[in-house]
Amino acid sequence: QVQLVESGGGVVQPGRSLRLSCVASGFTFNSFAIHWVRQSPGKGLEWLTVIAFDATNKFYADSVKGRFTVSRDNSKNTVYLEMNRLRADDTGVYYCARDMGEGSGWSPAVAYWGQGTLVTVSS
Amino acid sequence: NFMLTQPHSVSGSPGKTVTISCTRSSGSIASNYVQWYQQRPGGSPTTVIYDNNQRVSGVPDRFSGSIDSSSNSASLIISGLKTEDEADYYCQSYDTTGWVFGGGTKLAVL
Repeated sequence: QVQLVESGGGVVQPGRSLRLSCVASGFTFNSFAIHWVRQSPGKGLEWLTVIAFDATNKFYADSVKGRFTVSRDNSKNTVYLEMNRLRADDTGVYYCARDMGEGSGWSPAVAYWGQGTLVTVSS
Repeated sequence: NFMLTQPHSVSGSPGKTVTISCTRSSGSIASNYVQWYQQRPGGSPTTVIYDNNQRVSGVPDRFSGSIDSSSNSASLIISGLKTEDEADYYCQSYDTTGWVFGGGTKLAVL
């Protein structure tokens, strides 16, 4: 079955960097866009970024544009989220999620979510 | 950009029907598809409805979605409430600047 497993979370000081990974299985990885969504403690969901199936297109929320970079390695069924200049308000659970549609671009919805990885930005 | 406003909480008795609303602040609700996600306590979100009214495979037909242009809102309707439906529900849509989530609605099945 479809699985998405995030890793790389932890405690990091403000201003530092962290890289999250999302390893996928159970579907043709190189046919689907992957999204990252975070959830701040006790708060709602916030969409961060999406990367197309072949990494030719990426799109970022204004809140992370210029600080976060998404990439993927289709040979390893893995998507990465490089987070730089981290701030306290970046604290939260980070989910990767598989797009609903197969092929080019991305659709308005996701079909599957990972279990999330917790990032805590604190001195 | 726009906002999606949801009630903070709703409740219903087992077997009853509840409706969760999601109102778009600007731009037409009909111009971009609306999705609905369920998040049970301690769990990850799961997708319930996409493209306004399409159920994800495996989601019971007790769950349905709709949009209403007159109120510029979307609705998630859950009929035949079960205790397992107790969860947070989020609506989501998008525009050219990216995706927007509603603030979430806590459903209590009393």
